[in-house]
Amino acid sequence: QLVLTQPPSASASLGASVKLTCTLSSGHSSNAIAWHQQQPEKGPRYLMTLKNDGSHKKGDGIPDRFSGTSSGAERFLIISSLQSEDEADYYCQAWGPGIHVFGGGTKLTVL
Amino acid sequence: EVQLVESGGGLVQPGGSLRLSCAASGFTFVNYAIHWVRQAPGKGLEWVSGISYNSGSKGYAVSVQGRFIISRDNAKNSLYLQMNSLTTDDTALYYCARAGSAWYTEIPDYWGQGTLVTVSS
Repeated sequence: QLVLTQPPSASASLGASVKLTCTLSSGHSSNAIAWHQQQPEKGPRYLMTLKNDGSHKKGDGIPDRFSGTSSGAERFLIISSLQSEDEADYYCQAWGPGIHVFGGGTKLTVL
Repeated sequence: EVQLVESGGGLVQPGGSLRLSCAASGFTFVNYAIHWVRQAPGKGLEWVSGISYNSGSKGYAVSVQGRFIISRDNAKNSLYLQMNSLTTDDTALYYCARAGSAWYTEIPDYWGQGTLVTVSS
């Protein structure tokens, strides 16, 4: 069964860059994942789909400040030039198979 | 502009039933699978169910299997979730989300704003 593991929290300064991590469980290191952003009191927003080779496809209107990379079983979301509106929860997601699985989410604080 | 608007949430007693709806616009509804995803208060996202473009394929989370039924009406650009035998664990904000293709194995790429379901006596 696929499990996605995310650190519960992260922080970085305004204008800096941050790298958020999603780790796939054993046997699933080749899976593609998606990243979603959820700002406070809002519905989630799809950011991108990220493959194991590091290639990614972004959602409509997602700024160039958002990018993704992969290394083994780890999938990374990189946000550069942090802005106050980037303070949000970030979830990774993948197909199980059989079900869709979400990570527990990382709460990003912009200092 | 893609829009997904959920409705039908409310307060229901344990053991009761509720039917959620999702009205879609801004895209060709019949070409896409759709998901239901929920979020309990203060918790993370949980996938609930998905349905393919033509209703030929459906999937459910173990937690709702046998109690929830997903359906769609392509003529009305609408998605539904019939929820039966509700428990307090089903209390959550329920989101409708469009899949990136005709199959619900595909990741959601557009989300609604959610409708709140509260199960309480």
